[in-house]
Amino acid sequence: NAGVTQTPKFQVLKTGQSMTLQCAQDMNHNSMYWYRQDPGMGLRLIYYSASEGTTDKGEVPNGYNVSRLNKREFSLRLESAAPSQTSVYFCASSSHRALETYEQYFGPGTRLTVT
Amino acid sequence: AQSVTQLGSHVSVSEGALVLLRCNYSSSVPPYLFWYVQYPNQGLQLLLKYTSAATLVKGINGFEAEFKKSETSFHLTKPSAHMRDAAEYFCAVSDKNRDDKIIFGKGTRLHILP
Repeated sequence: NAGVTQTPKFQVLKTGQSMTLQCAQDMNHNSMYWYRQDPGMGLRLIYYSASEGTTDKGEVPNGYNVSRLNKREFSLRLESAAPSQTSVYFCASSSHRALETYEQYFGPGTRLTVT
Repeated sequence: AQSVTQLGSHVSVSEGALVLLRCNYSSSVPPYLFWYVQYPNQGLQLLLKYTSAATLVKGINGFEAEFKKSETSFHLTKPSAHMRDAAEYFCAVSDKNRDDKIIFGKGTRLHILP
């Protein structure tokens, strides 16, 4: 049981390049999330998916797209990377079955630098 | 709308001293409340959660937190700090009646002085 996995762990991009961050969970969770973490800003929600086939914008969606490929996988795409997207990206998942409490389980993160 | 305020972006305590990290929340409905810990270069890990059962919640690594509705607070404490407690701590709130998002505070970095 690996929990939430993310690839890659590190990435350096040049401005204008594109890339996709991958996330997978093996806990049969319905909901998945993408956050970015910047110093002094805490975690800010980029996009989330309450169930397979649905996605919704979070607090900071501009410059990003997401795909909920199936129940396990939720990817984040940067179409044209900008230096402002230099950050640490975390994927998380949670269950919303009856009597559960919405706690989120986090992956190890992807450290992205855009030059 | 929900929100979380963590007082103090950095807190320093001596090894063996009491740890107190402050969190105040705002929610229009009874909330779920969480404390997460993030060790350097790692993801977030759940320390403890309040789900409307006991108001004093015990978590991992000797931490506990008390839900005080009258003060809208959920402060995190540990009687005796260890060097291994040095990390960043996040308080978070979830509106269990509305949706499945969690709102995180900006975090408090705990420094342990030898």
